[in-house]
Amino acid sequence: EVQLVESGGGLVKPGGSLILSCAASGFTFSSYSMNWVRQAPGKGLEWVSSISSSTSFKYYADSVKGRFTISRDNAKNSLYLQMNSLRAEDTAVYYCARDPGHYGDYGVLFDYWGQGTLVTVSS
Amino acid sequence: IQLTQSPSFLSASVGDRVTITCRASRAISSYLAWYQQKPGKAPKLLIYAASTLQSGVPSRFSGSGSGTEFTLTISSLQPEDFATYYCQQVNSYPPFGQGTRLEIK
Repeated sequence: EVQLVESGGGLVKPGGSLILSCAASGFTFSSYSMNWVRQAPGKGLEWVSSISSSTSFKYYADSVKGRFTISRDNAKNSLYLQMNSLRAEDTAVYYCARDPGHYGDYGVLFDYWGQGTLVTVSS
Repeated sequence: IQLTQSPSFLSASVGDRVTITCRASRAISSYLAWYQQKPGKAPKLLIYAASTLQSGVPSRFSGSGSGTEFTLTISSLQPEDFATYYCQQVNSYPPFGQGTRLEIK
């Protein structure tokens, strides 16, 4: 059974940093691109970042570019999101999500999602 | 490319047939997916490639369209279908529509 379990969320002051983790199990983690998607309270879904299976390619939403860094450790079946210079508008539930690879390098889909971890940026 | 869903809010009864529309600001071929999200839960992939049902999704869900106009249809609403639905363009950013909240009448 595919499982994705996020951790690392919490309360942080504006300008602060946080690292989110996503532990994957039930599939060959190293074969799949992975993603972070967030959802502000009461709002819709916002894609944040993607990383290819081999870490060769990393993509970021304009809203987080230069502040967030996505990474993965295939030996540990884990995905990470380093978040720096956090702002109030980064407050959201952060989900990690697997890309099944139907579209290869030409698109991204999200077939399995974790339960999410809440990040609150407030003084 | 922007995705616009309509309606943003929909009230319907169990057994109703409902349709949600997603319009793209430019043609995206069939590169569209649909997700269902229940309160406090992660989204669930329902349909990809505009009309391909994800494994395990009930057949009352169907998708159609290509180019700039797409629809998600639920043929006979069940109590567990009341949720928020999002469309997503697969090969452009930002990927998600703003969502359609489906509530019980």
